[in-house]
Amino acid sequence: DVKVTQSSRYLVKRTGEKVFLECVQDMDHENMFWYRQDPGLGLRLIYFSYDVKMKEKGDIPEGYSVSREKKERFSLILESASTNQTSMYLCASSTNHRGLMNTEAFFGQGTRLTVV
Amino acid sequence: KQEVTQIPAALSVPEGENLVLNCSFTDSAIYNLQWFRQDPGKGLTSLLLIQSSQREQTSGRLNASLDKSSGRSTLYIAASQPGDSATYLCVLNFGNEKLTFGTGTRLTIIP
Repeated sequence: DVKVTQSSRYLVKRTGEKVFLECVQDMDHENMFWYRQDPGLGLRLIYFSYDVKMKEKGDIPEGYSVSREKKERFSLILESASTNQTSMYLCASSTNHRGLMNTEAFFGQGTRLTVV
Repeated sequence: KQEVTQIPAALSVPEGENLVLNCSFTDSAIYNLQWFRQDPGKGLTSLLLIQSSQREQTSGRLNASLDKSSGRSTLYIAASQPGDSATYLCVLNFGNEKLTFGTGTRLTIIP
């Protein structure tokens, strides 16, 4: 079974703190994604990466950065957490091996981040 | 921008009934479509994947169909159970390495 594992289920951080959300997948997937999910707004893409050290901005990258030093790990960084970043964060992965575009996406269990 | 709509937004049905969830999309140039369920406060669990060339997929009590020409997908749940209560999302892959999410249907099965 494919596994996408997020390091924390719940986090509480203070305003101004630097926050790291970690995501690890064990299926050698090239693509990895970070989303946030808010009531009434659905899932919105923050950043994605299609290879090691590659990153692309999604729809709402402001206030976030990412790191992909190893293929299996994709980190989301909140440089200075703010209360409007309180949300559910979801990581996902998929493969694009040999240019395949029609592959299945897998999601982690989510991290509920509260910034106080 | 692709739009993916799920109607109804919420649905309550008595246990044991069969039901259909709907997903409509405006751009038919998809690579695949996935149906997910999401329990409150948790991540997305993949239920079924339909490739662009397929018309339906089945897994247990679930059957998903895809009609690209009309821009529709349905998820059929047979003999519903209280454990089926969750939010159901259709997710479209347009091959640009990003996914487009439906608006979701919150399903409640009444014991």
